[in-house]
Amino acid sequence: GENVEQHPSTLSVQEGDSAVIKCTYSDSASNYFPWYKQELGKRPQLIIDIRSNVGEKKDQRIAVTLNKTAKHFSLHITETQPEDSAVYFCAEFDSSYKLIFGSGTRLLVRP
Amino acid sequence: EAGVVQSPRYKIIEKKQPVAFWCNPISGHNTLYWYLQNLGQGPELLIRYENEEAVDDSQLPKDRFSAERLKGVDSTLKIQPAELGDSAVYLCASSHGQYNEQFFGPGTRLTVL
Repeated sequence: GENVEQHPSTLSVQEGDSAVIKCTYSDSASNYFPWYKQELGKRPQLIIDIRSNVGEKKDQRIAVTLNKTAKHFSLHITETQPEDSAVYFCAEFDSSYKLIFGSGTRLLVRP
Repeated sequence: EAGVVQSPRYKIIEKKQPVAFWCNPISGHNTLYWYLQNLGQGPELLIRYENEEAVDDSQLPKDRFSAERLKGVDSTLKIQPAELGDSAVYLCASSHGQYNEQFFGPGTRLTVL
């Protein structure tokens, strides 16, 4: 079946530094790629998404890039803050209208 | 606007017992999803409803799991009988159509002893 590979599984950065999380997918027909943030014991919440007709999207300190040819997309967080610490999941909306999630990246921002 | 509501938030049962989870989606959202989230992993789809119709239940273990959304609003997910491996968080989500953002509920954390 379809799957999404996400790297790294854990990421520790100093406050103020940037963090990058990368995902690759297999379904070439996928056209929607959301990113979710999940704090400990809480629900996943959408932080940014990108559709296949654009290569990059930015929202304040968060940006996502998409390379459809290589079938990979990345999340970039600049000027990280302690409240950015959480687990981040990438996902692809595949050709069977199913949202397939990556395995998650645990981000720790050290004060 | 109220978010997706789930109950109970926590449930502890012994193996072989039945258990049921309830979900109330965001008002007006016709698409409802049940996901399973194991510790340290991403959510995995169990079933998707469009109104009252289950349009994708390919990942639902039908020998012990069942779900219903009789009036196209609230939904119930049931496990009977529960097994030790069913311990996980069960998330409900809803969206306005299958192509739009999915909003998640807080989940039900199930522990099977």
